[in-house]
Amino acid sequence: GAVVSQHPSWVICKSGTSVKIECRSLDFQATTMFWYRQFPKQSLMLMATSNEGSKATYEQGVEKDKFLINHASLTLSTLTVTSAHPEDSSFYICSARGDSSYNEQFFGPGTRLTVL
Amino acid sequence: RKEVEQDPGPFNVPEGATVAFNCTYSNSASQSFFWYRQDCRKEPKLLMSVYSSGNEDGRFTAQLNRASQYISLLIRDSKLSDSATYLCAVNPLYSGGGADGLTFGKGTHLIIQP
Repeated sequence: GAVVSQHPSWVICKSGTSVKIECRSLDFQATTMFWYRQFPKQSLMLMATSNEGSKATYEQGVEKDKFLINHASLTLSTLTVTSAHPEDSSFYICSARGDSSYNEQFFGPGTRLTVL
Repeated sequence: RKEVEQDPGPFNVPEGATVAFNCTYSNSASQSFFWYRQDCRKEPKLLMSVYSSGNEDGRFTAQLNRASQYISLLIRDSKLSDSATYLCAVNPLYSGGGADGLTFGKGTHLIIQP
């Protein structure tokens, strides 16, 4: 149980284009999903909390107009990086909280974004 | 002070040895604690949740010390396959947005040598 998928696993795009990343919980319903970003040799940094049926909550310093999050169903959250630039190149990972009250989070396989 | 701190290593340990990692956290109100394992260019995988009373899972033992605000991970009889980066994660449970998001340390790199 607690399987999370992400698509695509990697993407290369030109500067100025937008990229959409999907995160799905495959065997459970996730009212809350999380989006993290990890630069090389750095820790995972929480970008935003995605809530089903409501607006996402962004961490300080994360531009909500640049990183659009949609959580339209209990099994799908999407992150769109708008007008991507080379500095947005990173490893984007989503997670979903499991059923336990202890707040374990299970991660998707990640999406490696390279902006040329 | 960083919210979650870990010794980045690398720890070079011979196969079969016991190795221990510590992780300190700054928010005394933190409620949930975890150890994740991350292989190169992969996502983190939950290794263990860390409970107040400490817990053990096979060769792995996790401890929580609230007074000193650190958690530990002990790996006994280390295997070559244990080579990875071990991430400490804390749920700070602050009010407002992102209440359930995890704060991660940078990770400790472990290399098990044959």
